[in-house]
Amino acid sequence: GENVEQHPSTLSVQEGDSAVIKCTYSDSASNYFPWYKQELGKGPQLIIDIRSNVGEKKDQRIAVTLNKTAKHFSLHITETQPEDSAVYFCAPTYSGYSTLTFGKGTMLLVSP
Amino acid sequence: NAGVTQTPKFQVLKTGQSMTLQCAQDMNHNSMYWYRQDPGMGLRLIYYSASEGTTDKGEVPNGYNVSRLNKREFSLRLESAAPSQTSVYFCASKTGTSAGELFFGEGSRLTVL
Repeated sequence: GENVEQHPSTLSVQEGDSAVIKCTYSDSASNYFPWYKQELGKGPQLIIDIRSNVGEKKDQRIAVTLNKTAKHFSLHITETQPEDSAVYFCAPTYSGYSTLTFGKGTMLLVSP
Repeated sequence: NAGVTQTPKFQVLKTGQSMTLQCAQDMNHNSMYWYRQDPGMGLRLIYYSASEGTTDKGEVPNGYNVSRLNKREFSLRLESAAPSQTSVYFCASKTGTSAGELFFGEGSRLTVL
């Protein structure tokens, strides 16, 4: 099965700074790379995803970059805001699988 | 839009008691999942149902049973609750069996004394 590691486990930044969370995986067949955000007391929600035929994808202040050779992908958040404070999960998988294996999560705290 | 609805939101049980967590989705999704979330452990898959009429074990199925009642509903049963099953439980669904967006419920917080 997929072995997924996220770093760092916690990240504290000042409002306006950038934040980067890295996810490494073991299954070379993985070709779908999503990031989920979980706010306090809620279920996780997909915020951005990328497929293996694309190296980078941006959506406003959020971007994901993929390095398939090194088997890692990263979530980049620019101009962080207090509402970005949450736990972020990666879940790399092969598109033919029914299930996702989640990383252990990164708690991001953005201080005003 | 209701999305994925879980009941109950909170429950306290004594060791050995049984209970069922209910999950329903109104998005006409084929696949449904039960995860548990524990501090520092991320989200771990308990059981899933890739389509109506099928169920499969995930990473941590021991102590649980599931029923895919129909396309909308997927329940999780604890027959004899143990303190190790104290956790937050999430139900999720997605449209197909291949990779795609998972839609999660708000979670059910279970405490077993």
